[in-house]
Amino acid sequence: DAKTTQPPSMDCAEGRAANLPCNHSTISGNEYVYWYRQIHSQGPQYIIHGLKNNETNEMASLIITEDRKSSTLILPHATLRDTAVYYCIGNSGTYKYIFGTGTRLKVLA
Amino acid sequence: SAVISQKPSRDICQRGTSLTIQCQVDSQVTMMFWYRQQPGQSLTLIATANQGSEATYESGFVIDKFPISRPNLTFSTLTVSNMSPEDSSIYLCSGKIGWDRGHTEAFFGQGTRLTVV
Repeated sequence: DAKTTQPPSMDCAEGRAANLPCNHSTISGNEYVYWYRQIHSQGPQYIIHGLKNNETNEMASLIITEDRKSSTLILPHATLRDTAVYYCIGNSGTYKYIFGTGTRLKVLA
Repeated sequence: SAVISQKPSRDICQRGTSLTIQCQVDSQVTMMFWYRQQPGQSLTLIATANQGSEATYESGFVIDKFPISRPNLTFSTLTVSNMSPEDSSIYLCSGKIGWDRGHTEAFFGQGTRLTVV
């Protein structure tokens, strides 16, 4: 499964879009990109996943570059409750989720 | 989706003792996993809990230290044996529907916060 690289931390103003990047330059053709977040003192929460097309659900949008070497998770209108550590994971269908260090997003009032 | 419940949610234990953590899923999941999250760190996979057979451990984790059971599709236990302060961590249970249903997400419990004194 691909190694992913994320910035260690980001700030975002409340109400603005939060754009969280992830680099996965070694991703293979059958690997999906998954995003999870972990709010303090809770278990990780699934957000979204995709293969090569952009995806959107009620929580977020996932934009994957055409070469699939990177992706961006977009929280369209960040709230204080979105403050969390966000993890980007590449997974080919094996059961192993390899969690990197993630991005600590702080939404500012 | 699935809801995963863990017991206990937290505990403080004496060194040298053992603690068994229970994980209950509200629906049948093909795969169950146990993770450890040390203070301020990311999650590390300990093992895959296999129904009716021995768990599959990741490098650095052994059955004598972390025995795991999974008697059915919805229940698993992790025991942290002969504890030392270095075992102080959050232990998380996770469940995943199998790949025969396509790429699906994993679900996580709220974790068990263990402090060894």
